Amino acid sequence: SQQGEEDPQALSIQEGENATMNCSYKTSINNLQWYRQNSGRGLVHLILIRSNEREKHSGRLRVTLDTSKKSSSLLITASRAADTASYFCATDGVGGYQKVTFGTGTKLQVIP
Amino acid sequence: NAGVTQTPKFQVLKTGQSMTLQCAQDMNHNSMYWYRQDPGMGLRLIYYSASEGTTDKGEVPNGYNVSRLNKREFSLRLESAAPSQTSVYFCASSAGTGRETQYFGPGTRLLVL
Repeated sequence: SQQGEEDPQALSIQEGENATMNCSYKTSINNLQWYRQNSGRGLVHLILIRSNEREKHSGRLRVTLDTSKKSSSLLITASRAADTASYFCATDGVGGYQKVTFGTGTKLQVIP
Repeated sequence: NAGVTQTPKFQVLKTGQSMTLQCAQDMNHNSMYWYRQDPGMGLRLIYYSASEGTTDKGEVPNGYNVSRLNKREFSLRLESAAPSQTSVYFCASSAGTGRETQYFGPGTRLLVL
């Protein structure tokens, strides 16, 4: 069962534009993470936000967390062609502290 | 520092054959994980190991076995492969619990005919 669900499933933007993707989850969490996966590669960790945090930044990435709505958003500013990838959120809170559950991902295409 | 390595990169099996996927990490991490990724399904946890000597089932353990050989190595075995096990398999590790940052290997692409 999926704890996190990303929206939209696919997103296509021009280079330089901002990209926003969302993650909704069902049960209370301690941490929420965002990962990136380039085609044919393993996942790479981008950012972790804890349940007592509302916003976090890392370079061109901005993550927000709204625990009352059980949702998170990932904003990539000034996108580049190299940002083309799939983005996944991962949430804990289901099945114990050892595990996270990944969503089905948002596929982002940045057109040069 | 290689991070997380997986072998093989690609494998084709016939139904009923067995094989072992190997995973090793050089980051001295306590926890290791095996996931499978299928189109439209995201990643699903097969098995995990919270520490050397312990293993636990994840979401989709049927048809698989695992061994945490030592702190570095965590292998996944398919005893009798089925076409439904055609997938991309990823190994990951984390220093602490699965709630923290996980580091992924490059994946093994498995086709079962």
